[in-house]
Amino acid sequence: DTGVSQDPRHKITKRGQNVTFRCDPISEHNRLYWYRQTLGQGPEFLTYFQNEAQLEKSRLLSDRFSAERPKGSFSTLEIQRTEQGDSAMYLCASSLEDRTYEQYFGPGTRLTVT
Amino acid sequence: DQQVKQNSPSLSVQEGRISILNCDYTNSMFDYFLWYKKYPAEGPTFLISISSIKDKNEDGRFTVFLNKSAKHLSLHIVPSQPGDSAVYFCAASEGGSQGNLIFGKGTKLSVKP
Repeated sequence: DTGVSQDPRHKITKRGQNVTFRCDPISEHNRLYWYRQTLGQGPEFLTYFQNEAQLEKSRLLSDRFSAERPKGSFSTLEIQRTEQGDSAMYLCASSLEDRTYEQYFGPGTRLTVT
Repeated sequence: DQQVKQNSPSLSVQEGRISILNCDYTNSMFDYFLWYKKYPAEGPTFLISISSIKDKNEDGRFTVFLNKSAKHLSLHIVPSQPGDSAVYFCAASEGGSQGNLIFGKGTKLSVKP
């Protein structure tokens, strides 16, 4: 399977704990995006990378959220000091640089903060 | 303020008939529009896209129509099949170098046998 993969698929954590999610994009895609989806809403853009460079992070929800893509391949999204309002589906997508409108999504990580 | 709106939260269609899903947008700077299909517990699956310079794009049973003057697009599925039952999201690309997508809230399609 050469699609976008995400790990873990589900994460349950207690409020105040830190969590980290991983995304492996389609191998030839140099663009990688993170989105968040809450119940009854469409995905909401958070941040994106071109290769290892994070080119937009102003839409990260708070300074508790950070993302990295150190070698331009896989990416991680970290949430520090989780809150119940962080409970959501976190989606990763990838695309080619010249076809950014054609993004392919992974299965998502469902986060539940208790 | 929502820039991409899907005003119908649900749609029920008989198998073999046409499904028409609608989407409205407010930003005339969007350069691409897309439709995604989503099953429960899965990520959205890319279905079909259309450039803002076109008014129609067809791929098998799926056709997307764009009416720029009305800022409206629609997805037609003909014929509808039970396996098409899913949530359909309309999305728009903001253009430029960034390329992030703005999504509507989705329409849940149920195709009944």
